[in-house]
Amino acid sequence: NAGVTQTPKFQVLKTGQSMTLQCAQDMNHNSMYWYRQDPGMGLRLIYYSASEGTTDKGEVPNGYNVSRLNKREFSLRLESAAPSQTSVYFCASNQNQPQHFGDGTRLSIL
Amino acid sequence: GDSVTQMEGPVTLSEEAFLTINCTYTATGYPSLFWYVQYPGEGLQLLLKATKADDKGSNKGFEATYRKETTSFHLEKGSVQVSDSAVYFCALRVNNAGNMLTFGGGTRLMVKP
Repeated sequence: NAGVTQTPKFQVLKTGQSMTLQCAQDMNHNSMYWYRQDPGMGLRLIYYSASEGTTDKGEVPNGYNVSRLNKREFSLRLESAAPSQTSVYFCASNQNQPQHFGDGTRLSIL
Repeated sequence: GDSVTQMEGPVTLSEEAFLTINCTYTATGYPSLFWYVQYPGEGLQLLLKATKADDKGSNKGFEATYRKETTSFHLEKGSVQVSDSAVYFCALRVNNAGNMLTFGGGTRLMVKP
């Protein structure tokens, strides 16, 4: 069972570079989410998509864009990476049930 | 706004010790409460949940009781194992706010043999 799949697992970028994090789920869930995880701060919601074709800002959207390409896929883009965006990024999905999480993308910005 | 506060870690215990990880919350509505566990290098997995006051969630020997009067959802386990070493997150979902979760900061548990 694949569940929620994130790619890549690791990435190192230079300040100012762009990058798209990919997320796909095979559970036919309507809702998908992007979080970032920083030490001592738990998970903070960046963007979410309640259904195909809709996206909304979460708690910390600045510096990010998202695309809900279809029901399965929800990508997160950093147009001009900054060191403050060094973090672990998690994608999640659900539909009337607790969220299912991917294994994360560890992103370092130098 | 809604918020979740967890005890800071790390919590270090010997195998077979009793575990308590405190969690308190503030919410404008009537939340559902969750504990998630994150093992090293993995994403979060739902451990247990409770959807209304006085409910007790339980799984894998862990328990937590939804206490509305103290706005708490403390996680307990009677006898921890080395394999329980992980980061534990308390979270809430306000039932009129769709499916979005608010997380606490996480508590790292280390169990020594």
